[in-house]
Amino acid sequence: EVQLVESGGGLVQPGWSLRLSCAASGITVGSYDMHWVRQATGKRLEWVSGIGTAGDTDYRDSVRGRFTISRESGSNSLYLQMSSLRDGDTAVYYCVRRLWTAGGGFDLWGQGTMVTVSS
Amino acid sequence: VLTQSPATLSLSPGARATLSCRASQSVSNYLAWYQRKPGQAPRLLIYDASNRATGIPARFSGSGSGTDFTLTISSLEPEDSAVYFCHQRDIWPMTFGQGTRLEIK
Repeated sequence: EVQLVESGGGLVQPGWSLRLSCAASGITVGSYDMHWVRQATGKRLEWVSGIGTAGDTDYRDSVRGRFTISRESGSNSLYLQMSSLRDGDTAVYYCVRRLWTAGGGFDLWGQGTMVTVSS
Repeated sequence: VLTQSPATLSLSPGARATLSCRASQSVSNYLAWYQRKPGQAPRLLIYDASNRATGIPARFSGSGSGTDFTLTISSLEPEDSAVYFCHQRDIWPMTFGQGTRLEIK
């Protein structure tokens, strides 16, 4: 079955770090552009970061320098290392696949992992 | 910024639903539509404004370009009850609409 399964979320204090993981099955993460998208309660979805097949990375301004996206072929997983976490980072984080044969749309989503940043 | 309207739409089975997504500046045709049901991951319906994604029924169609886009569901079925949101990839960073809740009564 083709699926993405996120893990690693939790409750942390401001300034702390957290590493999110996204385990892929049925697809090879290195063969696709992969992204992280988040959604805070009551807010719209927000793109966070992406990594291309060539390893090129991109971040939204509010997380650049604090978050690092990566992937590992051995575990076929996508990661998001988050540091210096802020209250505004509180959200459900989704791992998504971007499919260029579908116009660059996000055609595969995980179920999400909740990150809560609070003192 | 993507603004969707209406916020909520309540229609009967068999009716036609028209959902709008308006961009604050042109996004060319780089707009996608998704369906999201409670407890489920979002499902890509339409990409590049008017192309149906794989496996999407023909009753779903998209149109528009520039700043005004429409998702039309031609004959509603009970399982179409969901939140629908749009997504643009033309302007960095890519952004999403706030969603339209479609209720099938």
